[in-house]
Amino acid sequence: QVQLVESGGGVVQPGRSLRLSCAASGFTFSSYAMHWVRQAPGKGLEWVAFISYDGSNKVYADSVKGRFTISRDDSKNTLDLQMNSLRAEDTAVYYCARSSVRFGVQTEWDYWGQGTLVTVSS
Amino acid sequence: DIVMTQSPDSLAVSLGERATINCKSSQSVLYRSNNKSYLAWYQQKQGQPPKLLIHWASTRESGVPDRFSGSGSGTDFTLTISSLQAEDVAVYYCQQYYRVWTFGQGTKVEIK
Repeated sequence: QVQLVESGGGVVQPGRSLRLSCAASGFTFSSYAMHWVRQAPGKGLEWVAFISYDGSNKVYADSVKGRFTISRDDSKNTLDLQMNSLRAEDTAVYYCARSSVRFGVQTEWDYWGQGTLVTVSS
Repeated sequence: DIVMTQSPDSLAVSLGERATINCKSSQSVLYRSNNKSYLAWYQQKQGQPPKLLIHWASTRESGVPDRFSGSGSGTDFTLTISSLQAEDVAVYYCQQYYRVWTFGQGTKVEIK
């Protein structure tokens, strides 16, 4: 069965960096585009970043552009999010999610991880 | 960016009654070439990640009870729960995937 497991969250000071990972299993990871999505405490969902199935195309929300970098390692079936210059407003649960269609781009997301909490605070 | 606006922000419905959630996009999410609206609905229960319910505005995911239905096209969409059950208490989000990806602010559904 499809599983997505995030890790790497924690408490970090403003201006510092953190790297999140998402371990995928139960499907051919290299065939699917992936996303990072976040949810601030008590708030709604905000898409953060997209990476195509082959890693050739990356798209970021304006709120994180220039600070966050999405990447994937198909040999390890992992999706990463490097977060630099963190701000208090980046505090959220971060989810990885899978595009529902193999090789698809404009798709909904059919599997989500359980999320990892990032708290940016001094 | 395409802005998604849901209404209401919350609603309380009696068990067995109908719940209706609306979602409006700031521009059309209908692709003329395939006549599909790039609109999905998700359900998020407390402490859980979102779960995909419906895509292409009206296509229910496998395993989703048929009391959930989606309708609409272009800029106006509706999620209907025909007979509310206790396990349907959740926050519901619409999402457009026509241009990048954006969500509505969510609608909280409770039991009256």
